[in-house]
Amino acid sequence: LAKTTQPISMDSYEGQEVNITCSHNNIATNDYITWYQQFPSQGPRFIIQGYKTKVTNEVASLFIPADRKSSTLSLPRVSLSDTAVYYCLGGKLIFGQGTELSVKP
Amino acid sequence: NAGVTQTPKFRVLKTGQSMTLLCAQDMNHEYMYWYRQDPGMGLRLIHYSVGEGTTAKGEVPDGYNVSRLKKQNFLLGLESAAPSQTSVYFCASSFRTDYNSPLHFGNGTRLTVT
Repeated sequence: LAKTTQPISMDSYEGQEVNITCSHNNIATNDYITWYQQFPSQGPRFIIQGYKTKVTNEVASLFIPADRKSSTLSLPRVSLSDTAVYYCLGGKLIFGQGTELSVKP
Repeated sequence: NAGVTQTPKFRVLKTGQSMTLLCAQDMNHEYMYWYRQDPGMGLRLIHYSVGEGTTAKGEVPDGYNVSRLKKQNFLLGLESAAPSQTSVYFCASSFRTDYNSPLHFGNGTRLTVT
């Protein structure tokens, strides 16, 4: 079961764009890449999912290069409420350690 | 529509005691999962089910048993609790019969084993 690799933590300031990159070298051909957000004392919440190129929704954008061995979650103009842990899944059901994003005023 | 509901929210056990965690979903999802979350470890898959009456092992299945007698419920049992099982347990479900379907999580059960 393939595992993903992400930075353990990141700091940002309100209003900045934040990019979190995830490595998923062993992703299978038919697997999608999915990102989740988790606040303290809550379960993870689905943010965005994609297969290749770029996907955008009202919350974030997801960039996936042609080789699909990595992906980048982009959060535009973060606010304090975006402080959370972000997980990427390269298919299947295995979570990595996640990236703890801290947004400062 | 409550989504995924976990009971209880908190529990303290003594070593050797047994208990069952209940997960219920009202979204008619086929797949259900149990994860545990420990500091610095992310979420680790314990067991999962691809449909009523089926179960399968995940990354860390030892010390746990599961049952899926009804489609909407997924039970996680600890027959003889150990301090190493102190953790936050999350249940999740997904709709499609493939692993790319987004997971819907409950808000967890915090278990302490003394």
